[in-house]
Amino acid sequence: DGGITQSPKYLFRKEGQNVTLSCEQNLNHDAMYWYRQDPGQGLRLIYYSQIVNDFQKGDIAEGYSVSREKKESFPLTVTSAQKNPTAFYLCASTTGGTAYGYTFGSGTRLTVV
Amino acid sequence: QKEVEQNSGPLSVPEGAIASLNCTYSDRVSQSFFWYRQYSGKSPELIMSIYSNGDKEDGRFTAQLNKASQYVSLLIRDSQPSDSATYLCAVRIQGAQKLVFGQGTRLTINP
Repeated sequence: DGGITQSPKYLFRKEGQNVTLSCEQNLNHDAMYWYRQDPGQGLRLIYYSQIVNDFQKGDIAEGYSVSREKKESFPLTVTSAQKNPTAFYLCASTTGGTAYGYTFGSGTRLTVV
Repeated sequence: QKEVEQNSGPLSVPEGAIASLNCTYSDRVSQSFFWYRQYSGKSPELIMSIYSNGDKEDGRFTAQLNKASQYVSLLIRDSQPSDSATYLCAVRIQGAQKLVFGQGTRLTINP
């Protein structure tokens, strides 16, 4: 079955450490996105990519980095520069047409220890 | 003014009643509108999309769009306890390849 796979489901980061969240899709979607959700809050856009080897900053890109070397994969690195990384991270994809919403992965819950 | 606004709730509705969720948006050229349901600790799930003024029905769900008033709503008929979740409104602005989300409305259906 087609879908989006995020891993790991839970991740613990020590102070000063970089961590990478994985996002893989087999839906043949062109566009992929990373959102952050804090408790009781909506989704805030971190980065998005509409095509391989190209990506754009979202509203809260500071302290994060991404790559898009393959159409299927869009990993997110949370760097030590991100001072408050504890949140629920959601990866999404879409065909890119305006008539379509996103398909979301199951999310990664990141906690700083 | 936020681009997409929702009442955060909580909204409490008795089982079997109609739940009404509202969303307003600020950009007049917005062209696609989506409702997502998110259970606690889970990822959002698309339940409705609407693009034209008027109503769109799918089972117990009805989405209503009024572009003149910049208003989109979701009605849930015959509410069930399993409908208890946070409902996120999302808007795609013309020419933008991304969705803007509201903060979500937490809905509780009381048996």
